[in-house]
Amino acid sequence: AQSVTQLDSQVPVFEEAPVELRCNYSSSVSVYLFWYVQYPNQGLQLLLKYLSGSTLVKGINGFEAEFNKSQTSFHLRKPSVHISDTAEYFCAVIRSGGYNKLIFGAGTRLAVHP
Amino acid sequence: EPEVTQTPSHQVTQMGQEVILRCVPISNHLYFYWYRQILGQKVEFLVSFYNNEISEKSEIFDDQFSVERPDGSNFTLKIRSTKLEDSAMYFCASREQGVGEQYFGPGTRLTVT
Repeated sequence: AQSVTQLDSQVPVFEEAPVELRCNYSSSVSVYLFWYVQYPNQGLQLLLKYLSGSTLVKGINGFEAEFNKSQTSFHLRKPSVHISDTAEYFCAVIRSGGYNKLIFGAGTRLAVHP
Repeated sequence: EPEVTQTPSHQVTQMGQEVILRCVPISNHLYFYWYRQILGQKVEFLVSFYNNEISEKSEIFDDQFSVERPDGSNFTLKIRSTKLEDSAMYFCASREQGVGEQYFGPGTRLTVT
């Protein structure tokens, strides 16, 4: 079975500051990794994904994440946040192969302050 | 850009009533999913559907739940007799063949009173 841990339930940060949202996963098989964002009263939007290849993946809105297999981590980063980045961020994994249900972490609420 | 749509956006129902949540996946997608998110909790997988049958379901998806693809476009989730604890946001998702992301709809907020 797979599981995802997002260590921070809330991350407050000032506008234009860098941010890192942490994600660790557990799995006995190969997985694919995803970050989704949920803006208030909206659905889930894919930020970025890691399937294979380069461990540094770039996504939309200036976000990037690095897959670290030895540490089983997939932390999300942005060098300079905007007020509009305020949202809930979910890390998720899929077992590679099969019908691929997403296993989500509990989410991290990013609050960007002016 | 194609998107997954869901109706209604908000459904209020009384305990014991049946509800049907509707989704229109992206047209060339082959895999369909339902997830739910109870307020303040993580998003949880309910069921996946492929080739007109359930491919996987979670322990949450008991006999009170069913899914159907009645035509070439709609994908529905039925709850036969709703309970208070069914109150949640229900998300539909779809993806195409092969390795790819799941595209989520905006969700239906179900409130059981």
